[in-house]
Amino acid sequence: SQTIHQWPATLVQPVGSPLSLECTVEGTSNPNLYWYRQAAGRGLQLLFYSVGIGQISSEVPQNLSASRPQDRQFILSSKKLLLSDSGFYLCAWSTGTGNQYFGAGTRLSVL
Amino acid sequence: DQQVKQNSPSLSVQEGRISILNCDYTNSMFDYFLWYKKYPAEGPTFLISISSIKDKNEDGRFTVFLNKSAKHLSLHIVPSQPGDSAVYFCAAKNGGSNYKLTFGKGTLLTVNP
Repeated sequence: SQTIHQWPATLVQPVGSPLSLECTVEGTSNPNLYWYRQAAGRGLQLLFYSVGIGQISSEVPQNLSASRPQDRQFILSSKKLLLSDSGFYLCAWSTGTGNQYFGAGTRLSVL
Repeated sequence: DQQVKQNSPSLSVQEGRISILNCDYTNSMFDYFLWYKKYPAEGPTFLISISSIKDKNEDGRFTVFLNKSAKHLSLHIVPSQPGDSAVYFCAAKNGGSNYKLTFGKGTLLTVNP
């Protein structure tokens, strides 16, 4: 069966520090991969998606970037965090069916 | 432009009764709809989905109804249980894309014992 791992679960970072969140998927090949953010009291906002290695599409202009160095690995990064980057970050995967399956999420607090 | 709307931020029901969660959409290109359940500090869990060629899909206690003419879908939970207490997200997929889901802002369901 397929599983998705996302870490760390929680992270507290100072403003201006770098960020790296990692997500890996097991049990499937060539998945579509996604990064979402849920800000307090809001829905899920799609940040990036990837349909293959090295292929990244950005949905909103922001202080973040994403990379897919391997088929089942998706990384969310920032060179310098802003206060507004605080939120709950979720990684997800899908095949062609449309159903997306989510990781447990990372709670990021930028202070 | 919010294409998927969940107008009720919260809903409270008694255990054993029916919970009805509503969702409206504006994009007529949406052809596949999903409901997710989310507990605090966890990722959303897929619950049930429906294709635009159907008007009803049932899975155990969960039934999703789709009214295409009204651009409206609803999730019925019968009977409601305290463990159903969570945030429920409605999501929609555009027929022109295999990848992107558009989510509503969610409805917090509280089932009281």
